[in-house]
Amino acid sequence: GEDVEQSLFLSVREGDSSVINCTYTDSSSTYLYWYKQEPGAGLQLLTYIFSNMDMKQDQRLTVLLNKKDKHLSLRIADTQTGDSAIYFCADGYSSASKIIFGSGTRLSIRP
Amino acid sequence: DTAVSQTPKYLVTQMGNDKSIKCEQNLGHDTMYWYKQDSKKFLKIMFSYNNKELIINETVPNRFSPKSPDKAHLNLHINSLELGDSAVYFCASSPQGWGAFFGQGTRLTVV
Repeated sequence: GEDVEQSLFLSVREGDSSVINCTYTDSSSTYLYWYKQEPGAGLQLLTYIFSNMDMKQDQRLTVLLNKKDKHLSLRIADTQTGDSAIYFCADGYSSASKIIFGSGTRLSIRP
Repeated sequence: DTAVSQTPKYLVTQMGNDKSIKCEQNLGHDTMYWYKQDSKKFLKIMFSYNNKELIINETVPNRFSPKSPDKAHLNLHINSLELGDSAVYFCASSPQGWGAFFGQGTRLTVV
């Protein structure tokens, strides 16, 4: 069945880059997404990548997709305290009207 | 002009009660979802509707009954509430096949 996996925690120093990794199992994905959830809030769609792309850059965010290994990563350059949140990787199946989420990676920033 | 709105934001109720959560989207999207987020922040899809038609029911107990009176609304009714139903319930919508935009969540506490 479909599965999306992420490590649960990541701690980085302010100003460094953060790299959050994700693996998924199903090869019929159409889009892959990164969502951000701040405490007490809903999920905010940060960025996405279409499954036939390798890379997408959006200001401080870089998404890399290795379709062969079913590996997705999100790099946040120059990490700031406002980036502290839980980041969810998600796998979209357009034919099934379904989006499956990973367990979320809690990013904490050290001064 | 909130895109996906849920009411209520907080719901505290006793075991055995019946309660409803309402969701409305003004984005003109075809697909709406209910997700459950547990205390460990795991997000699990419960239901997916496309143009008022149920597409996905992810082995949710039949105490949970979604209702979609029109494309812009997807309500969730829960009968005979149990302690284990305590969670944050998120409504989301998407244009078919692409992403999901989330509401702010309803924190349900069953006592």
